[in-house]
Amino acid sequence: GEDVEQSLFLSVREGDSSVINCTYTDSSSTYLYWYKQEPGAGLQLLTYIFSNMDMKQDQRLTVLLNKKDKHLSLRIADTQTGDSAIYFCAESSTGGYNKLIFGAGTRLAVHP
Amino acid sequence: EPEVTQTPSHQVTQMGQEVILRCVPISNHLYFYWYRQILGQKVEFLVSFYNNEISEKSEIFDDQFSVERPDGSNFTLKIRSTKLEDSAMYFCATSGLAVPSNTGELFFGEGSRLTVL
Repeated sequence: GEDVEQSLFLSVREGDSSVINCTYTDSSSTYLYWYKQEPGAGLQLLTYIFSNMDMKQDQRLTVLLNKKDKHLSLRIADTQTGDSAIYFCAESSTGGYNKLIFGAGTRLAVHP
Repeated sequence: EPEVTQTPSHQVTQMGQEVILRCVPISNHLYFYWYRQILGQKVEFLVSFYNNEISEKSEIFDDQFSVERPDGSNFTLKIRSTKLEDSAMYFCATSGLAVPSNTGELFFGEGSRLTVL
């Protein structure tokens, strides 16, 4: 079945770039997403990429998609303490009513 | 900013008891979902709901689970007879349109933590 895998923890220094990686198995994935969860809050959509794109940039966020390797990454430039959160990778395919398949989430810790 | 609200934020219940988790969707949204996350595990899809009926459900969503939108506003998830393994954070999510067709986003509530003893 479909599966999404992420590393569970990443620690970076404030000001550095963070790169969170994700792999997925469903070759029919159409959209891939990054959600952010801050403590005590729900999941908030950060960005998404359509499967026919290789890269998407949105301010400090850069998403790279390697469809051949089924690998997705999220780069956060100039990481700030406010970026500390859990980041979830998710994928969906057409035909489903938003049946997103999530990874377990990567906890990003930003230290001074 | 419109938001999805869930109640209760935390519920503790005895095994075998019925639990109802409530969600108030964003007012003009048409699609409603429940997801859950067992502690330390992945966020899992449970069910999607559109036009007053279930659109899709996962294997987790067995006969013990049901959803309804009784009054046109609240969207509820009922667990008829809770088991220990139902302990999880349950997230409600809503969207205006199906994400795959228009890249609209899912709006998640803050979650309801269910603890079954």
